[in-house]
Amino acid sequence: QQPVQSPQAVILREGEDAVINCSSSKALYSVHWYRQKHGEAPVFLMILLKGGEQKGHEKISASFNEKKQQSSLYLTASQLSYSGTYFCGTPIITGTASKLTFGTGTRLQVTL
Amino acid sequence: DTGVSQDPRHKITKRGQNVTFRCDPISEHNRLYWYRQTLGQGPEFLTYFQNEAQLEKSRLLSDRFSAERPKGSFSTLEIQRTEQGDSAMYLCASRSRVSSYNEQFFGPGTRLTVL
Repeated sequence: QQPVQSPQAVILREGEDAVINCSSSKALYSVHWYRQKHGEAPVFLMILLKGGEQKGHEKISASFNEKKQQSSLYLTASQLSYSGTYFCGTPIITGTASKLTFGTGTRLQVTL
Repeated sequence: DTGVSQDPRHKITKRGQNVTFRCDPISEHNRLYWYRQTLGQGPEFLTYFQNEAQLEKSRLLSDRFSAERPKGSFSTLEIQRTEQGDSAMYLCASRSRVSSYNEQFFGPGTRLTVL
């Protein structure tokens, strides 16, 4: 099942902070975050791993609560370039494949 | 590293026609994925290759869809007898064999419009 993201959309002024949440009905072993600008490919931002290890982006941080099956992405001091749609992705491993199931998306718009 | 490339970027076709898309992954990435994305939705998994072997196909991939990766490098996705419901963005992603984090790098996509 598809992870659910909240909010669906958010408008910020440059310099403001935002939090994007991702909830899954299934156990999570890792959570991936991507940002997609209109008409472009999704761009990898960050991975949150079970056990706390993360690999990611300079000015964007995230948390991963395994018990609650949730992840949150924190954008601080937002910049105009942060605008886009943010997707969380949860891997589903079948055999040797590790495909991503993407969330419902959060559209972020940063204005002056 | 030139990234994942896809061709064409846009394709408009009439219902019933066949179309073929190409994906060139990042060199030496042995794993390749195809996803489909409709407006306002996240990408949905279609199929997965490890080298030249197609190891998994989604139920979304009807028998009108076929994908190949003959030499373990570029891949093609063909849709036969296109339907209006096939209109979507088709994304290709690749992943390194040494990646322990399953980072997938996406291409710019091919936007298909079926009239």
